[in-house]
Amino acid sequence: GDSVTQMEGPVTLSEEAFLTINCTYTATGYPSLFWYVQYPGEGLQLLLKATKADDKGSNKGFEATYRKETTSFHLEKGSVQVSDSAVYFCALRGNTGGGNKLTFGTGTQLKVEL
Amino acid sequence: ETGVTQTPRHLVMGMTNKKSLKCEQHLGHNAMYWYKQSAKKPLELMFVYSLEERVENNSVPSRFSPECPNSSHLFLHLHTLQPEDSALYLCASSLLQADHGYTFGSGTRLTVV
Repeated sequence: GDSVTQMEGPVTLSEEAFLTINCTYTATGYPSLFWYVQYPGEGLQLLLKATKADDKGSNKGFEATYRKETTSFHLEKGSVQVSDSAVYFCALRGNTGGGNKLTFGTGTQLKVEL
Repeated sequence: ETGVTQTPRHLVMGMTNKKSLKCEQHLGHNAMYWYKQSAKKPLELMFVYSLEERVENNSVPSRFSPECPNSSHLFLHLHTLQPEDSALYLCASSLLQADHGYTFGSGTRLTVV
């Protein structure tokens, strides 16, 4: 079945550092890929998405490129801020059976310090 | 405000109580979901409703009972819960197309005492 693997956290960075959170996936067909962010005490918010190979999703300075050859969708940001501290979830939504469910990774906690 | 509204935001209930969680969306979505999020555990998909019909029940104990009276509303009825049921319960909605993500509510923080 479909699965998503994310790097273990927590990831601790200084403000203005470069961020990469790795995400790889296993799926049949051509899934759509998503990154969600969860701030403390809140639900998940869609951060960005990409629906086909080589697409780049971007939002609020975050970017991720859909790489079919490496089955990856790594999240990057050039300069993180304290306000980016949150849990980040990679997810895929397949288009072959399974009711088109969203499959989540386990989440990666990011802590940004001054 | 995400477009998916969950009430209440916080709930404390005894093990013998009966309570309900409510979820509402007016985004025109045709699928709705309940998730459980516990500390140190992955997100758990509990129930899926597609076009108001339950299409998935992931081995959830019968003390959790979902209800979807129309495409805009989803309920989770709770009775005789256990302390290990304490968690953040998240509702989400979506269109059925695979290239659409889910829109989540802010969740209900449930504590069972």
